[in-house]
Parts: sequence; C-alpha cells; structure tokens
Amino acid sequence: AQKITQTQPGMFVQEKEAVTLDCTYDTSDPSYGLFWYKQPSSGEMIFLIYQGSYDQQNATEGRYSLNFQKARKSANLVISASQLGDSAMYFCAMSLVLGAGGTSYGKLTFGQGTILTVHP
Amino acid sequence: DTGVSQDPRHKITKRGQNVTFRCDPISEHNRLYWYRQTLGQGPEFLTYFQNEAQLEKSRLLSDRFSAERPKGSFSTLEIQRTEQGDSAMYLCASSPGRSGRTDEQYFGPGTRLTVT
Repeated sequence: AQKITQTQPGMFVQEKEAVTLDCTYDTSDPSYGLFWYKQPSSGEMIFLIYQGSYDQQNATEGRYSLNFQKARKSANLVISASQLGDSAMYFCAMSLVLGAGGTSYGKLTFGQGTILTVHP
Repeated sequence: DTGVSQDPRHKITKRGQNVTFRCDPISEHNRLYWYRQTLGQGPEFLTYFQNEAQLEKSRLLSDRFSAERPKGSFSTLEIQRTEQGDSAMYLCASSPGRSGRTDEQYFGPGTRLTVT
C-alpha cells in the first residue's frame, strides 16, 4: 500500500519569497512516481511537477522544484518567488511506475494537502 | 483542445435517491479515473478504466456505486440509494495512456453532490 503524509495544514509566505511544502511517503514498491498538484478555490486540480523514483536529478518546472530525498522518503515542493496567485491548496500524490524509469500509471494516492496563503 | 468536462457541476438529492454523473475525458485519452474528495481532504481513488475496461476498483466503492465507460469515451458514475455520507466532490480525470516518462492525469472541475 502507498501512503502520503503532508504534515502542514497551512503555510503562509510573503509575496516574492520562497516557500517549502513538505511531503513524506511510504511504499514498498521500488518504482514509483511522485506528483504535486495545485487546487485553487475554484476546485480544479492542476498538475505542477513530477519526480520518478529512479530520477537522478531533482525535477524543476519554472518556479517549482521538487526536493527529492529518497532515503528520507520525502518529496518537498519548493515554490520560488511566490505570487499572490499561488494561494491555493497543494497536494502531494504518488503512483506506481512500470519498471525502473518507466511510465507512471494507475491511480494516484493523495496526501491531505497544505493550504498556502501568499501575503502581499 | 477542450479539457475534461463533468456534468452536472452541482447535484442536490434526497437520501435514498439514485444519482448519475457524467465525465467526458480529453479526446483520445484512453485512461479515465474517478476520485471522491471530501472537504479538507485529498482526493480518494474510486475506479479507473483503460478504454472500456474497468481495471481497478477501490474498496471504497460499495455495491451502491457503479461506473461504466461503454464505448471507451465518456464515463458515468451512478450512486444508488444515496446516503448523507456520499456528500462529496466527485472528480474525474483522464490521461493519454502514453509511454514515456509520465502519464499525467488531467482533472475535470468536479461534481459536488449534497445528500439531504
């Protein structure tokens, strides 16, 4: 079974500052993928970034980067230069991956989420 | 290119009634997923299809829940004899089912169900 834990119910950050949202995971599978999604108040889930368990480098997508520490089973999301529009709920999620370095597939297992509020 | 659409967006029903939701995935996406999200929680997986085949069902999906994807395009989720505990947001997602690095899921806006 897979499990995602997000221990920060809420986080606050000043506009233009960086913020780190924590995510730890638990799985017995050696091949897995880790995702971050953003859910604004409008409700839609927006994909942000992906990290495969066999990826050697941390994933980056624009202002988003994933601090992947495999031994600690953590996959923290770092948002640089926060903007007011970043205020939303953020979810960490996990899926299985087909083989080493293969494609993620199947269901996503989500954490409970972290509400991020960006102050002007 | 339109995204995933869901209908209706909101549904209020009385306990004991049946409800049906529809999801239209992104065209040519062969995988379709249903999730349920209650207030303040992350989405929970319910079931998923590859084309018309239902490949996995969660234990959360009691026998009152049934999902279909008859022609491998749109999908319906039916809840029979609704209970107040069924009140939640029902999210649909689709993915291309491609090879490569990640088969990312694209989510619809959800259907919010309220059972009174």
